[in-house]
This record gives sequence, C-alpha cells and structure tokens, in this order.
Amino acid sequence: QSALTQPASVSGSPGQSITISCTGTSSDVGGYNYVSWYQQHPGKAPKLMIYDVSKRPSGVSNRFSGSKSGNTASLTISGLQAEDEADYYCSSYTSSSYVFGTGTKVTVL
Amino acid sequence: EVQLVESGGGLVQPGGSLRLSCAASGFTFSSYAMHWVRQAPGKGLEYVSAISSNGGSTYYANSVKGRFTISRDNSKNTLYLQMGSLRAEDMAVYYCARVVAGILTGTLDYWGQGTLVTVSS
Repeated sequence: QSALTQPASVSGSPGQSITISCTGTSSDVGGYNYVSWYQQHPGKAPKLMIYDVSKRPSGVSNRFSGSKSGNTASLTISGLQAEDEADYYCSSYTSSSYVFGTGTKVTVL
Repeated sequence: EVQLVESGGGLVQPGGSLRLSCAASGFTFSSYAMHWVRQAPGKGLEYVSAISSNGGSTYYANSVKGRFTISRDNSKNTLYLQMGSLRAEDMAVYYCARVVAGILTGTLDYWGQGTLVTVSS
C-alpha cells in the first residue's frame, strides 16, 4: 500500500494552466479507472474534484480536468485562479485496498 | 444537505483506546459505504478503513489491521472507529467520508470536518 507519487509543489500565474501528475503502478492507477482527485484548503476537509479518472462532480468548475496514461494520472487546472491555491491529492483503488497520493501544493504566483 | 460530523477525538496515552463516531444526516445512511481517512499533522491523507452499507464487509489499511475496528449502526445513522493499542504514529485528524459506488472502487464524495486524535504521554 505505498502512496502514489505526486510532485511536492506546482506553481503558476493567474490564467495559466498547470498539470499535477500522480504516478502509481499497474496494480493501482494503471490497472483501474478508479482515480479520484481531492482539493484541500488549509484547515479544511478535502473536496472531491474529479472521479473515475476524468468525471467532474456537479458544481466543480470545468477548469478542472483529469486524464490517465499508463500508470500515471493527471489533473489539469486551466485558467488558474487565486482560489485554486490548495493541496491536491489523487487516490486509487488497489488490490482490495485504497491509496492516496503524496499530495501536491499548488501555489498561484 | 449531506452532513457528516465526527466526534470522540482527544488526548490518549500510547497503548490506550479511543472510539470515534461519525453522525450522518441529509441522506439515507444505510445505502452508502463509508470510509475513515486520517491526516497526521502537516502530512498527507491516509486511508484507514472502509465498511459496506450493511456493515457486512470491512477493510483495513495494513498500518491499523488488528488494532482498529470499523462498525456502523444504521438505526442511529452513525459510523464508528474503535481504536486500540494506539501509537504515536496514529496521531492525526480522522475524517469520515461517504462512498459513492463500490466500497473501495468508489468515490469519497462528502467528508466530515474531522476530529483530532493526539497520542502522547
């Protein structure tokens, strides 16, 4: 149950697009289309942003999109806004268990 | 409105026990699987345990297997986490979360605000 690998930090200027990667193995990210992404602001509970690799829940901005290639999933935030500054975590099903990514801090410059 | 409210956190000595509760409202609790997820201070999210909608199936992370027990009382719309043999590394904010679709393949669509467990002598 090793954590999925994410970059520690990603930054961008307002209006730019950024992409956060989430790398696992064929036993988790690569083996199933059950990748989710969560946004967490300091002191707050996580919020679901993307599920099943690329589906967006009702109410989540279409600036957020997800994809997957092989053992790596990605979250792209387009038109970066100040309110997007937060920590982001990916997650995946894995062999009768569940695993989160290491987390990425997004900074809006 | 879906609401999940955790309680029961606090200070406990190493080796001690604690029971967390998660009161659910705003949805048909008995129709959904549930998860416990924790976050150590300044660290990332860690899956702890999951339970099916009727309580018949339970799952645990290796780090808590044999020490923690997840359960639920659908008549009281409440989820529980009984924690035993607590260690310093169990210190964290514990969140409960609702699962949509499969117990482990599903999505955590609503989360509570968390309850802090401190393990210290």
